[in-house]
Order: sequence, then structure tokens, then C-alpha cells
Amino acid sequence: QSALTQPRSMSGSPGQSVTISCTGTSSDVGAYNYVSWYQQHPGKAPKLMIYYVSQRPSGVPDRFSASKSGNTASLTISGLQAEDEADYYCCSYAGRYTNWVFGGGTKLTVL
Amino acid sequence: EVQVLESGGGLVQPGGSLRLSCAASGFSFSSYWMTWVRQAPGKGLEWVANIKGDGSEENYMDSVKGRFTISRDNAKNSVYLQMTTLRVEDTAVYYCARDWNWSVGNWGQGTLAIVSS
Repeated sequence: QSALTQPRSMSGSPGQSVTISCTGTSSDVGAYNYVSWYQQHPGKAPKLMIYYVSQRPSGVPDRFSASKSGNTASLTISGLQAEDEADYYCCSYAGRYTNWVFGGGTKLTVL
Repeated sequence: EVQVLESGGGLVQPGGSLRLSCAASGFSFSSYWMTWVRQAPGKGLEWVANIKGDGSEENYMDSVKGRFTISRDNAKNSVYLQMTTLRVEDTAVYYCARDWNWSVGNWGQGTLAIVSS
């Protein structure tokens, strides 16, 4: 059960946009539209930000958008704000035997 | 409001056992898969196990198969994770969560399990 590949860290200035990638394989990200993204602030529980590749739960700002192409999913945060500084994790369904696999996480710094 | 609250974490020696509990409220508990996800100190998230709403199906990550057992009591709106033959590398914050639309929708605050001699 190998983790999905994310950049370890990214940064951006307030107001800018950043895109976090999440690379899997044809057995997980490429095979299913069950990709989700989570935001985790230090010492807090993760929070669901995106489900079904690109859907936002109610209450998540529309500054957060996501997509998938082939084996790679992406999360874009537009108009960066200070409170967006957090760790972000992608997750994908990987079939009946592997079930779910997370990415290693990306630490986003707002400069 | 959906709420999930874990308990049962603590310090245990390698080879020991620990039972985590998770109390849920605010939704029709028996209709949802429930999941345990863990996070080792300073590390990323790792899916551990899940269980179907009626308890008829369970799934586990490879490294815990045969050592961990997930179960639920729908009369008590609770899900459990029985952990046996614990290893140092099982040390983590364990999160209980409600599955929602093929994602981990609602997370608890986590409970810390430390395996150390």
C-alpha cells in the first residue's frame, strides 16, 4: 500500500494561487473518481475539503478547487489567505483489497 | 450536528493490547461506514480500517491484518478498534471518522496510543 506522491512543501504569498499535485497509479487515482483532499492545521484533526475529485462540502470556500488527469489529482487554492497555511493530504480509493491510500502530505506556507 | 469522539488511548508495552472506542452522534449511525485513520508523531495520515454500516464487512491495511479488529455496536452508536500484539510503530494518534460520499467526512479529535517499553 504505497502512499500517493505529494510535494513535501509549497509556499505562496497572500492573494496568489498554488496547486498541489497528488500522483498515484492506474490502480488508485487513475482508476476511480474517489479522490478526496484534507486540510490539517497543527494539533487539529483533518478536515474534508474536496470529495469525488472536485466536489466541495458545504462551508468550504470556493477558493478551493480540484481536478484529476490520468493518475494525477490536483488541488488549487486561489487567493491565498493566512488561514490556508496548513498540511494538505490527498486520498484515493484503491480497490477492494488495498482500500484507501493517502498521500504523504504537503506543508503549505503562506509567506 | 455530526460528532465523533474517540477514547481509550494510552501507554502500552510492545506486545500488549489496547481497545479504542468511538462514540458518534448527529446522524443515522447504522447507515454509514466508519473508519479509523492514524497519524504517527510528525508523520502523515494512514488509513487503518473500516467497517460497513451493518457490520457485515470489514477492511484492514496490510500491516494490521490479524492484529487489529474493528467492530461496531449500532445500539450504542459506537465503533471500536481492538489492537493486539502492538508494535512500537503502531504509536500514533488514532482518528475515528464517518465515511461520507466515498471520503472520510467527519473526523474526531483523535486519541493517542503510545507503544513503548
